[in-house]
Amino acid sequence: DAMVIQNPRYQVTQFGKPVTLSCSQTLNHNVMYWYQQKSSQAPKLLFHYYDKDFNNEADTPDNFQSRRPNTSFCFLDIRSPGLGDAAMYLCATSRERKSYTQYFGPGTRLTVL
Amino acid sequence: GQQLNQSPQSMFIQEGEDVSMNCTSSSIFNTWLWYKQDPGEGPVLLIALYKAGELTSNGRLTAQFGITRKDSFLNISASIPSDVGIYFCAGRLEGAQKLVFGQGTRLTINP
Repeated sequence: DAMVIQNPRYQVTQFGKPVTLSCSQTLNHNVMYWYQQKSSQAPKLLFHYYDKDFNNEADTPDNFQSRRPNTSFCFLDIRSPGLGDAAMYLCATSRERKSYTQYFGPGTRLTVL
Repeated sequence: GQQLNQSPQSMFIQEGEDVSMNCTSSSIFNTWLWYKQDPGEGPVLLIALYKAGELTSNGRLTAQFGITRKDSFLNISASIPSDVGIYFCAGRLEGAQKLVFGQGTRLTINP
């Protein structure tokens, strides 16, 4: 089945130690999104890629970066994780920019010690 | 930023009861999506609505895109234990590209 895959499902890192989360998709969708979700809150958009075009949200901290080496893969890099960055990180895809139906992966739960 | 008002925030019901939740806004939306999220998992798309007045069903779930384009509701009939979770509405404002999410409705079912 076509799907959005996130690895790892659980990630533990230390305060200040860089960490990378990965997302892959077999849907061949052009748009990939990264969201941060804290407990009992709605997902918050960090940035998205339309093909190779990177679009950052205005309030996304510089600590968060992203890479999309090809259509299938997208990475979220957190350069110096703080305690406040502990959250669920969700990857989502949509077929096109104007296709607003987004399909989410299972998420990566990040713990910062 | 623009927010959707999703209500109720939580619901405690008996198994077999029907459920109704809604999202409202003062702005016009062009798309409404309803997602369900289980603990520790990503949101799963339940129903997508693209036109004002559209009424769409997915099994025991029914959702409608309000005529005014400022609201949407989701109904679940004859609830079962696996319906437990958090339900999010999400919409795209007219002229915008990204989704706006409601704050979620947490559904708890007593067997």
